[in-house]
Amino acid sequence: EVRLQESGGGLVQPGGSLRLSCAASRFTFSTYDMSWVRQTPGKGLEWVSFISGSGGNTYYADSVKGRFTISRDNSKNTVFLQMNSLRAEDTALYYCAALKITSGGYGPESDWGQGTLVTVS
Amino acid sequence: DIVMTQSPDSLAVSLGERATINCKSSQSVLYSFNNKNFLAWYQQKSGQPPKLLIYWASIRESGVPDRFSGSESGTDFTLTISSLQAEDVAVYYCQQYYSGRTFGQGTKVEIK
Repeated sequence: EVRLQESGGGLVQPGGSLRLSCAASRFTFSTYDMSWVRQTPGKGLEWVSFISGSGGNTYYADSVKGRFTISRDNSKNTVFLQMNSLRAEDTALYYCAALKITSGGYGPESDWGQGTLVTVS
Repeated sequence: DIVMTQSPDSLAVSLGERATINCKSSQSVLYSFNNKNFLAWYQQKSGQPPKLLIYWASIRESGVPDRFSGSESGTDFTLTISSLQAEDVAVYYCQQYYSGRTFGQGTKVEIK
């Protein structure tokens, strides 16, 4: 069973920074592509960023491009989300998720953590 | 960006009856190299993260009850719960993973 545990959320002022971490266990971490997805009551689920298993490919939603950076340390089974220039609209519950390994293309998010709350105010 | 539009926003169904949720993508999410729609369905119960139910539009994830099924027609997708159970009360989301990822706005399913 895949286990994902997010940490690093909290209260930050607009313009500030936070670094989220997601520790993975019980699976071969380096073989899994990973995503960050956030959720707010008003906007629902919003994909934020993606990183391939090797870390060589990264993608971002337009809403965070240039402000957020995703990275991973496969030796520590951890994926990170560095969030800079935070705005009120970044307030959300942030989930990390592992993508399903499929026979073609990137799969959907199949395993999710419990999330970490980020409040920008 | 690909926009995913779900309908209805909410529905109330009697126990044992069928529930049908629709999702429409603003453009094709069909990947020509494998002829698969990059469309997934998730279930989210209160206070929990989303749970993957269906991928490739119609393939049930391991462990998902067979009362859940997905179908596709062009850019229109449907999630059907054939016989609603009390534990199916949740919000259901469609998601395209063809280009980035975008989710529908969610459909809340309740017991009538």
